[in-house]
Amino acid sequence: AQSVTQPDIHITVSEGASLELRCNYSYGATPYLFWYVQSPGQGLQLLLKYFSGDTLVQGIKGFEAEFKRSQSSFNLRKPSVHWSDAAEYFCAVVHEPKTSYDKVIFGPGTSLSVIP
Amino acid sequence: DAGVTQSPTHLIKTRGQQVTLRCSPKSGHDTVSWYQQALGQGPQFIFQYYEEEERQRGNFPDRFSGHQFPNYSSELNVNALLLGDSALYLCASSTLRDTIYFGEGSWLTVV
Repeated sequence: AQSVTQPDIHITVSEGASLELRCNYSYGATPYLFWYVQSPGQGLQLLLKYFSGDTLVQGIKGFEAEFKRSQSSFNLRKPSVHWSDAAEYFCAVVHEPKTSYDKVIFGPGTSLSVIP
Repeated sequence: DAGVTQSPTHLIKTRGQQVTLRCSPKSGHDTVSWYQQALGQGPQFIFQYYEEEERQRGNFPDRFSGHQFPNYSSELNVNALLLGDSALYLCASSTLRDTIYFGEGSWLTVV
């Protein structure tokens, strides 16, 4: 069965430091991958997505992610974290994309805290 | 172009009551899916509607039901509410030529 794992439940970084959030997926075919961010009391905001092509994907708010098929990974990175980046981050894979059976499988999330 | 819209934004219900949540898909989308996000967890797939029929379903009891209308909008109904049904309910829409988009969600509190 398809699944998404995010090994880090909680990460704390200092403002201005670099960030990498890990994501591993289990999916037989070429995956459609997303990273979402969720602030407390808010809905999901799409940071970036990967469907095909260049394996390094640029997103909003200075985030990027790299798809590595050999490692089944889609890690999220940011070179310099801002205090406003403190939030919950979800990695997700689309099961059977662009069919009538598509659905999103989410990882458990990584909570990011930023120290001033 | 409006994205996925959901209503109401927030609501409070009493245990044992019934609730109806509504979703309008993104323009051009014909498939609507519902997800439940409990506190501290990632969203979980409830079910999906396509051509006014339930196409697939996650691991949720029959108390959770839905409907899709000819204009592709959808409702999620939950009967006999339990305290554990308190969550953010997300609607997502998609189509064969486009990927999945999520709405802002409906926050349900059961007291």
